[in-house]
Amino acid sequence: DSGVTQTPKHLITATGQRVTLRCSPRSGDLSVYWYQQSLDQGLQFLIQYYNGEERAKGNILERFSAQQFPDLHSELNLSSLELGDSALYFCASSISGGLSTDTQYFGPGTRLTVL
Amino acid sequence: QQQVKQSPQSLIVQKGGISIINCAYENTAFDYFPWYQQFPGKGPALLIAIRPDVSEKKEGRFTISFNKSAKQFSLHIMDSQPGDSATYFCAASNNNYGQNFVFGPGTRLSVLP
Repeated sequence: DSGVTQTPKHLITATGQRVTLRCSPRSGDLSVYWYQQSLDQGLQFLIQYYNGEERAKGNILERFSAQQFPDLHSELNLSSLELGDSALYFCASSISGGLSTDTQYFGPGTRLTVL
Repeated sequence: QQQVKQSPQSLIVQKGGISIINCAYENTAFDYFPWYQQFPGKGPALLIAIRPDVSEKKEGRFTISFNKSAKQFSLHIMDSQPGDSATYFCAASNNNYGQNFVFGPGTRLSVLP
């Protein structure tokens, strides 16, 4: 158990809908990262938040947004969902946001299925 | 520039054998190279990592070999066990990119008993 929790575990929704994925980092970790894992694209970095502020952005679509709250939990919002958004979404956390050598601890993921 | 290539896509090894997975990168700004292990239904977990100032790092049965001039690094699993059967991802990152990792496409390892 990495100490990172993600809810829900599974999510099934329809095209055009909007969903929110939630992540609680490990106790003491200030950074949260979101990744998308799909069969054709592999594991792709979406976005990083550090202590409530956006730190880095990867291949995140404009239909997707995220935020990190004062208690350091994070939410990833996916809107106008398309079939291609079906994937595993992982959250990871690390103790800081500035050192590439900090270990990222991954949560168990949320499996999103868009029908 | 941001891509990390990984091979093979899948690997089958007999118990007790050596598993070797190779990765290559283009961006010389990368300064941290972790390997992650992922079991089905689980998130990736850090296995071992290396910085480019060393050519090899060993932790138990797992060894990373790093060739800075060739921009390649590899994971060697000695005495492979059925419990090592998982998907392995190499990755690269750099402080300038805020610690966001670029992952290789993964290698599915199966160790036969």
